[in-house]
Amino acid sequence: GENVEQHPSTLSVQEGDSAVIKCTYSDSASNYFPWYKQELGKRPQLIIDIRSNVGEKKDQRIAVTLNKTAKHFSLHITETQPEDSAVYFCAAGASYDKVIFGPGTSLSVIP
Amino acid sequence: SAVISQKPSRDICQRGTSLTIQCQVDSQVTMMFWYRQQPGQSLTLIATANQGSEATYESGFVIDKFPISRPNLTFSTLTVSNMSPEDSSIYLCSVEEAWEQYFGPGTRLTVT
Repeated sequence: GENVEQHPSTLSVQEGDSAVIKCTYSDSASNYFPWYKQELGKRPQLIIDIRSNVGEKKDQRIAVTLNKTAKHFSLHITETQPEDSAVYFCAAGASYDKVIFGPGTSLSVIP
Repeated sequence: SAVISQKPSRDICQRGTSLTIQCQVDSQVTMMFWYRQQPGQSLTLIATANQGSEATYESGFVIDKFPISRPNLTFSTLTVSNMSPEDSSIYLCSVEEAWEQYFGPGTRLTVT
């Protein structure tokens, strides 16, 4: 089955700097890679996703890149703000099917 | 995106008892999923519940402990049976809509 690893487990950045979170996956059949943001006490919220027919996707300050050959994908947050502080989870799976989550990255943005 | 609600939002239960968690969606969805999130941890998939078929359980989860019902395309239940303190966790339902997956608010379960 699918196995997803995520690094770093914790990340602290100064407000305005960029943050990068990296994930690797094991199942070459996976073709769907969502990213979730979870604030304390709240449900995971889908913030961006990418599919295997795309190498990069951007939405305002957030971008995700995918390297299917190497089986890794990354989340990039630019111009970080204090409200970006949360736990971020990457996940991998097949469209129309389950996704498996990475262990999470706790991001702190220091004002 | 689909609006997902769960009941109860939280509960405190005695060991050895069972709790049924309900998940309601405001639109018809084919695939529903149940996850567990232990304190400070990631989300672990318990099972996939499709209407009209038996739930498919992930490794480490069994039907006797976590029976699931999926009577229609907008509703599902997860029962946590014969609870022990190790079952204390947040249980979340999730649905697949337009090829994306969304989560309910979760049920925080504490077993004493």
